[in-house]
Amino acid sequence: ETGVTQTPRHLVMGMTNKKSLKCEQHLGHNAMYWYKQSAKKPLELMFVYSLEERVENNSVPSRFSPECPNSSHLFLHLHTLQPEDSALYLCASSPGGFTEAFFGQGTRLTVV
Amino acid sequence: AQSVTQLGSHVSVSEGALVLLRCNYSSSVPPYLFWYVQYPNQGLQLLLKYTTGATLVKGINGFEAEFKKSETSFHLTKPSAHMSDAAEYFCAVSDSNSGYALNFGKGTSLLVTP
Repeated sequence: ETGVTQTPRHLVMGMTNKKSLKCEQHLGHNAMYWYKQSAKKPLELMFVYSLEERVENNSVPSRFSPECPNSSHLFLHLHTLQPEDSALYLCASSPGGFTEAFFGQGTRLTVV
Repeated sequence: AQSVTQLGSHVSVSEGALVLLRCNYSSSVPPYLFWYVQYPNQGLQLLLKYTTGATLVKGINGFEAEFKKSETSFHLTKPSAHMSDAAEYFCAVSDSNSGYALNFGKGTSLLVTP
């Protein structure tokens, strides 16, 4: 596989569930990102990892918990979400800072 | 922090007509600028980028953009629209504070009519 791969593509979960989103990049990049895309809102940067260390955390609620076990994999663990958390969650990677990001196809999350 | 503003949330053009999508940036340092395209239920795909050097940047699918410092603009153009160009387009700027974040505009939805 090439590029950035996200699984699952679609996820429906109840507010009491725990689930995880997975992202894998095959580009040899050092940085990985989680973005949230809601209807009628700009893309929101959630988390940034560089060389497996978190470098940014933009005031994201604790019900979202990222994990970066190595430079190729990134997870977003979800628990006790709210309906307003329903959105498209996009993973991206980049060689480093001040460069373009390469995006996965996203996970469409619906919280019921 | 650096930011971008995309003028017009919806743009409609006829097939074969010029496409012009507007983006203005706000930055206290020389910006790195990007245009992305998003098709329905897909991720974002890089169209083109400006870092340094030539101010007219050519990208994929016949798109190009010109960096104009005096106007703080980075508008996206294509001479002749195709039906397949219908999508959401996002302008973005690198955040010089972090070096990692891209700050995106709200997006412009391009409709191409026959």
